[in-house]
Amino acid sequence: DSGVTQTPKHLITATGQRVTLRCSPRSGDLSVYWYQQSLDQGLQFLIQYYNGEERAKGNILERFSAQQFPDLHSELNLSSLELGDSALYFCASSVVSGQGYGYTFGSGTRLTVV
Amino acid sequence: QQQVKQSPQSLIVQKGGISIINCAYENTAFDYFPWYQQFPGKGPALLIAIRPDVSEKKEGRFTISFNKSAKQFSLHIMDSQPGDSATYFCAARGSGGQNFVFGPGTRLSVLP
Repeated sequence: DSGVTQTPKHLITATGQRVTLRCSPRSGDLSVYWYQQSLDQGLQFLIQYYNGEERAKGNILERFSAQQFPDLHSELNLSSLELGDSALYFCASSVVSGQGYGYTFGSGTRLTVV
Repeated sequence: QQQVKQSPQSLIVQKGGISIINCAYENTAFDYFPWYQQFPGKGPALLIAIRPDVSEKKEGRFTISFNKSAKQFSLHIMDSQPGDSATYFCAARGSGGQNFVFGPGTRLSVLP
């Protein structure tokens, strides 16, 4: 168990709609990272929040936005959805373990846009 | 420059064999190189990581080899097992604690 919780696990919605993905980071971790995983693009960094503030931005579309709340959970909002937005969306916390420093990922939300 | 290239795209190995996955980068500011293992339906999990001042790191059957001058690093899985069948991602972090850039992944199948 990574300690990172994502809901929902699956989401099916129509083009043009808006969805919200939720992430609870590992207990005590102030950072949340959002990644998109699609078959043709691999793992793409979207955005990072640290203690409620946006820290870094990657290849995130203007139709997408995120926020981190005082209780440190984060939400990724995807609007005006297109077929190409279908992907796995992961959030992650930072981790230091015997393997080294890196991220621990949640199980992801699989978004299907129809 | 922010890309990490990874090969092969897929790999089939017999049980007991050695699996080798290679990655290459251009950005000399990258300062940390982890590998992740992802099983279907799960998020990637940190497997092993190396700093560029180390040429090799071993964790059980998993070894990272790092060639700083060639800007290449590789993952070796010794005595590969069917349970190792997964997708493997190399990654690199920009200096100053920037976020990780991931390679496109290698799908490994270990035949029993």
